[in-house]
Amino acid sequence: GQQLNQSPQSMFIQEGEDVSMNCTSSSIFNTWLWYKQDPGEGPVLLIALYKAGELTSNGRLTAQFGITRKDSFLNISASIPSDVGIYFCAGFQSGYSTLTFGKGTMLLVSP
Amino acid sequence: DTGVSQDPRHKITKRGQNVTFRCDPISEHNRLYWYRQTLGQGPEFLTYFQNEAQLEKSRLLSDRFSAERPKGSFSTLEIQRTEQGDSAMYLCASSPTGLSTDTQYFGPGTRLTVL
Repeated sequence: GQQLNQSPQSMFIQEGEDVSMNCTSSSIFNTWLWYKQDPGEGPVLLIALYKAGELTSNGRLTAQFGITRKDSFLNISASIPSDVGIYFCAGFQSGYSTLTFGKGTMLLVSP
Repeated sequence: DTGVSQDPRHKITKRGQNVTFRCDPISEHNRLYWYRQTLGQGPEFLTYFQNEAQLEKSRLLSDRFSAERPKGSFSTLEIQRTEQGDSAMYLCASSPTGLSTDTQYFGPGTRLTVL
């Protein structure tokens, strides 16, 4: 079945640092989505990517759809305490109508 | 607020009881999805609707689970004879048709605790 490997599992950084996380698969994906989830809340969509090689920004966040279509990256620049949360990658594999999620990257930011 | 809404936000029930959750999608979205999320995991797909038609169900959706979307607007998810293993966050999402149909927007979830 579809599997997404998300890394790192967790990160603890200082405020102001840049952060990078990624998601990989052995299968080809047509769409990549990045979400942030706070405790007790639903995932909030950050960035959606639809084409291989696409690079999209949302404020301090930048995500890329890998050229091989088997991976995606999310970067956060100049982190702030409110960036704390769990970041999930998710994707649609070609021919599938269901969204597959990674296990998430927990981000902790120290002021 | 024009986002996805879910009700209730929290539900505590005793094993063996039936529970029903409601989801109201974003008004112009005709696709609606249900997911289950347990601690430390990403959301897992349960089922989805296009308008009132239930198009796909996961193997996770046992016979005790049933979902409906009778008028193609809000949806309900019912769990009969709840078990402790049903304790989880139940998430609803919706998406539009067209080029952005892959982009799903989630509600705040319903946290179910089965005692």
